[in-house]
Amino acid sequence: EIVLTQSPATLSLSPGERATLSCRASQSVSSYLAWYQQKPGQAPRLLIYDASNRAIGIPARFSGSGSGTDFTLTISSLEPEDFVVYYCQQRSNWPSTFGQGTRLEIK
Amino acid sequence: EVQLVESGGGLVQPGGSLGLSCAASAFTFSNYWMHWVRQAPGKGLVWVSRITSDGSSTAYADSVKGRFTISRDNAKNTLYLQMNSLRAEDTAVYYCARDFGGSSNYYMDVWGKGTTVTVSS
Repeated sequence: EIVLTQSPATLSLSPGERATLSCRASQSVSSYLAWYQQKPGQAPRLLIYDASNRAIGIPARFSGSGSGTDFTLTISSLEPEDFVVYYCQQRSNWPSTFGQGTRLEIK
Repeated sequence: EVQLVESGGGLVQPGGSLGLSCAASAFTFSNYWMHWVRQAPGKGLVWVSRITSDGSSTAYADSVKGRFTISRDNAKNTLYLQMNSLRAEDTAVYYCARDFGGSSNYYMDVWGKGTTVTVSS
């Protein structure tokens, strides 16, 4: 099973700042990686798929990059509603697995 | 509006059974693979099971294999998860989710709000 390690566990930033979230895979997942956002008490929302493709309706401030084992989710200028939890997910190898999450908090 | 609504969660004793349902609306349910994903309290997301669009193929996480059964009724636009021999570690919010489809199976682009399963004596 592929293990996805997200870092940092918690990221403290201010609105308007740039956020960089990392996801590292225990073995190559090619570009088969997605990012999800989860607000408190809500279901996850697909943000990015295949490492760099924004899902429908996702604002342009969200972008993804990387391939192989190292991936990044970048939020170019943080809005107040962005301070929630983010998960990465791989679908390269069965079973599909998720990272443990990064919590983005207001500094 | 595309929507998934789960139901059937509740409190069950260890060793007991529970059946979950997920009603789909505003999209052609029979065209999509579907998944169950769970989230234990304060924890991350864990994929549980998936079923193909016609129900002919299923897959399960090792942790639930042999205890859980996924199924669907395309005429009723409904996904199911039958959970038997429940354990305390099955306690979680269970989400049903629509597969992204095409060449991108296992990404999930539509999620329900979830239903809570608590296994406790």
